[in-house]
Amino acid sequence: DIQMTQSPSLLSASVGDRVTLNCKASQNIYKNLAWYQQKLGEAPKLLIYNANSLQTGIPSRFSGSGSGTDFTLTISSLQPEDVATYFCQQYYSGNTFGAGTKLELK
Amino acid sequence: EVQLVESGGGLVQPGRSLKLSCAASGFTFSNYGMAWVRQAPTKGLEWVATISYDGSSTYYRDSVKGRFTISRDNAKSTLYLQMDSLRSEDTATYYCARTGILRVYPYYFDYWGQGVMVTVSS
Repeated sequence: DIQMTQSPSLLSASVGDRVTLNCKASQNIYKNLAWYQQKLGEAPKLLIYNANSLQTGIPSRFSGSGSGTDFTLTISSLQPEDVATYFCQQYYSGNTFGAGTKLELK
Repeated sequence: EVQLVESGGGLVQPGRSLKLSCAASGFTFSNYGMAWVRQAPTKGLEWVATISYDGSSTYYRDSVKGRFTISRDNAKSTLYLQMDSLRSEDTATYYCARTGILRVYPYYFDYWGQGVMVTVSS
């Protein structure tokens, strides 16, 4: 099974900061990676698919990059409404999620 | 607007059964694969099962194979999850989610329902 490791598990940042979240796959998954945002008490929301494609309706401050085993979700200018937990998911072999990165305001 | 609304959750004793439903609207249900994803309290996300657009193909995680059955009724735009022989480790919020058209598994999930809680406890 492919394991997904997210880092850091907790990230504190200020409004306006550029924020980078990491996701590492245990083997090559090419670009079969998605990112989701889950706010407290809500369902997950798809942000990025195919590693770098922005889902319709998602603000352009969100971007994804990477391929193979190492991936990054970047928020170019953090907004208060971005406080959430972010999960990555590989869909190259089965469906596996990372444990999540909790993003909070400093 | 795509909407997915789950129902059927609740408290159930270990070894008993429960059937979840997910009513879909706002898109052509019969064109898309559908899935169930669960999240144990304060834990991460875990894919459970996926079904193809016409129900001809189904996929399950190992821990639920032989106990859970995913199915769909395209005439009613409804997805189901029959859960038998429930265990305490099945306690979670269960989300209904939409997958792809040409590719359904493995794949990402572009729309999610609000989720329904299932608690397995004596």
